[in-house]
Amino acid sequence: QLQLQESGPGLVKPSETLSLTCSVSGASISSTSYFWGWIRQPPGKGLEWIGTIYYSGSTYYSPSLQSRVTISVDTSKNQFSLKLSSVTAADTAVYYCARRPAGDFRYFDLWGRGTLVTVSS
Amino acid sequence: DIQMTQSPSSLSASVGDRVTITCRASQSISSYVNWYQQKSGTAPKFLIYAASTLQSGVPSRFSGSGSGTDFTLTISSLQPEDFATYYCQQSYSNLVTFGQGTNVEIK
Repeated sequence: QLQLQESGPGLVKPSETLSLTCSVSGASISSTSYFWGWIRQPPGKGLEWIGTIYYSGSTYYSPSLQSRVTISVDTSKNQFSLKLSSVTAADTAVYYCARRPAGDFRYFDLWGRGTLVTVSS
Repeated sequence: DIQMTQSPSSLSASVGDRVTITCRASQSISSYVNWYQQKSGTAPKFLIYAASTLQSGVPSRFSGSGSGTDFTLTISSLQPEDFATYYCQQSYSNLVTFGQGTNVEIK
């Protein structure tokens, strides 16, 4: 059964870089059938798409975050990662990784449980 | 960016009620809308894609419709397990965006 699991520090200091990893089990991240994405949700607020990556390394980023975001994939570890630089308190959120089937409709059909990242000194 | 505006932002309903949530896109997006359900403290659950196609396993009381700029999610007979927040998402471009959510509460 396919599962996604986010991992990384739960506390990051302002101006530093947030780094998270999503481990995929039960399927190969190198499958041509899927893209992989990051979505976040500030406490009490709605969902915000951060970016999406294909196993080849092709990426799409939210325009509002593009200058600070890097998403990468490690096919040898069956993982993909998120780096968000120069964080502020506004980046405090639950961060989800998710699977996106290839195709035109670009929906996220399987999600990790999410991990809370707090930005605070 | 394509903006997605949901209405209402919250609603109160009773078990058995018919509930309709609306999502409006800032430009025409054909049928490129997906819907999710999120219960408190859990990850979103994918419900509908291409505006009206139910994901496998989603109860038939859920339905979606619309094209162009106006879309709706309807729950024909609200069940206790349906009290949650619902999000639309446009997928017209690779730069996807979500609506702000509609919270369905118990009346």
